Amino acid sequence: GNSVTQMEGPVTLSEEAFLTINCTYTATGYPSLFWYVQYPGEGLQLLLKATKADDKGSNKGFEATYRKETTSFHLEKGSVQVSDSAVYFCALLSTQGAQKLVFGQGTRLTINP
Amino acid sequence: DVKVTQSSRYLVKRTGEKVFLECVQDMDHENMFWYRQDPGLGLRLIYFSYDVKMKEKGDIPEGYSVSREKKERFSLILESASTNQTSMYLCASTFTGRQETQYFGPGTRLLVL
Repeated sequence: GNSVTQMEGPVTLSEEAFLTINCTYTATGYPSLFWYVQYPGEGLQLLLKATKADDKGSNKGFEATYRKETTSFHLEKGSVQVSDSAVYFCALLSTQGAQKLVFGQGTRLTINP
Repeated sequence: DVKVTQSSRYLVKRTGEKVFLECVQDMDHENMFWYRQDPGLGLRLIYFSYDVKMKEKGDIPEGYSVSREKKERFSLILESASTNQTSMYLCASTFTGRQETQYFGPGTRLLVL
C-alpha cells in the first residue's frame, strides 16, 4: 500500500539556519506529493506541492523537489525564522483507486531566536 | 475567507459515554473528512463523505460512526468512548477532484478518562 516516512523529530534550530526535513514515500503509480504545515493551535494548511517527477514546489521560502529515482520529497529552507516553528507533514495523493491523502507522522520544528 | 469550524477545542469524557464531534464548513464543499492525529503516527483517516448522506470508511473506522445530513455539516460519533480514543481529531473539507487541497479545522483534543 501507499505510505510516507518522515525524519524523526523534534528538530530544533537557531534562527537563520538551513533546514532539511526528509520525506520518502512508497506508492504504486505516480502520486502527487505535498507538504502541509500545522502552526500551534491551528489546523493543517497546504504549504507546497509537486505533481510529477522533477517538479519543484515552493512557497514562503520553502522548497521541495519530487525525486522519482529516490522516491523522496525533502523539504528545505535556506534561512529559517522563529515564525516557522510548527509541525510539518509530508503527504501523497495516489493517482490510482480512491483518491485519499496519506500522511507521514509529522516533524515538529522549533526555531530559537 | 474559507472556514472549517469544529464544535469544541477541548473535550473530556468518561469511558462508555457517547461522544459527538461536530464539523461545519462554509465553502459548499462536497467532500468532508475526519482524521485522528497521534504523536508518531501522523494523521489517519477515520471516515469520509463524498456528499450528503454518503459515507466511506477510512483506514481506522472501528469504534466510530459518522453522519452527514446536510452538506455543510459532518459529525463524528463515538458510540461508547474508550481510553484508546483519546486523541486530536481533525476535520477537513474540499471540492470533489481537489483532494490535495483540503481545508482543515483547528481540531478537537479529546480526553477519555
